[in-house]
Amino acid sequence: AQSVAQPEDQVNVAEGNPLTVKCTYSVSGNPYLFWYVQYPNRGLQFLLKYITGDNLVKGSYGFEAEFNKSQTSFHLKKPSALVSDSALYFCAVRDRNSGNTPLVFGKGTRLSVIA
Amino acid sequence: IAGITQAPTSQILAAGRRMTLRCTQDMRHNAMYWYRQDLGLGLRLIHYSNTAGTTGKGEVPDGYSVSRANTDDFPLTLASAVPSQTSVYFCASSDSDRGEAFFGQGTRLTVV
Repeated sequence: AQSVAQPEDQVNVAEGNPLTVKCTYSVSGNPYLFWYVQYPNRGLQFLLKYITGDNLVKGSYGFEAEFNKSQTSFHLKKPSALVSDSALYFCAVRDRNSGNTPLVFGKGTRLSVIA
Repeated sequence: IAGITQAPTSQILAAGRRMTLRCTQDMRHNAMYWYRQDLGLGLRLIHYSNTAGTTGKGEVPDGYSVSRANTDDFPLTLASAVPSQTSVYFCASSDSDRGEAFFGQGTRLTVV
């Protein structure tokens, strides 16, 4: 079975500081990994994904994530946080061997960037 | 603009009533999904469809049914609503195993 853990319900960071939102996953095979952002009263917006190749993936709005197979992690990072980055962030996984199956999501991490 | 359209945006529903949440996509994606979002629980999969004519159960299917008569539409029906079905419902679609899922704006349902 596939699963995702986002160990922090809430992350607080000062504007201009680097931010990290943690994600670990569990799949029987190799993963496809995704990050989404949700602003209040909105749907989920895709940020970035890891499919294959370079372990460092760059996405929208200056976000990036690093795939670490040995640690089964896919942490989301940004070098300098903005107040407008405050939102709910979801990590998701799909087992590469399972075809086009539904994404399995973590419970989400609320990011607050303080001016 | 291509994407997923959900209707209604919000609804207050009396317990015991039947309700269908509508979802339409214009991206010709094969796979479609229904998730519910509840505080502290993240997104949980209700039902999915890998292609028109097929459906499957997700993590929390009880009390819900779906149909996939064509590629574009994937309605979710609550046969007899209960208060525990109060939630925000999201429809999504994807085109391949490598593809990200695209989400609608959600339907906020309150069962009273």
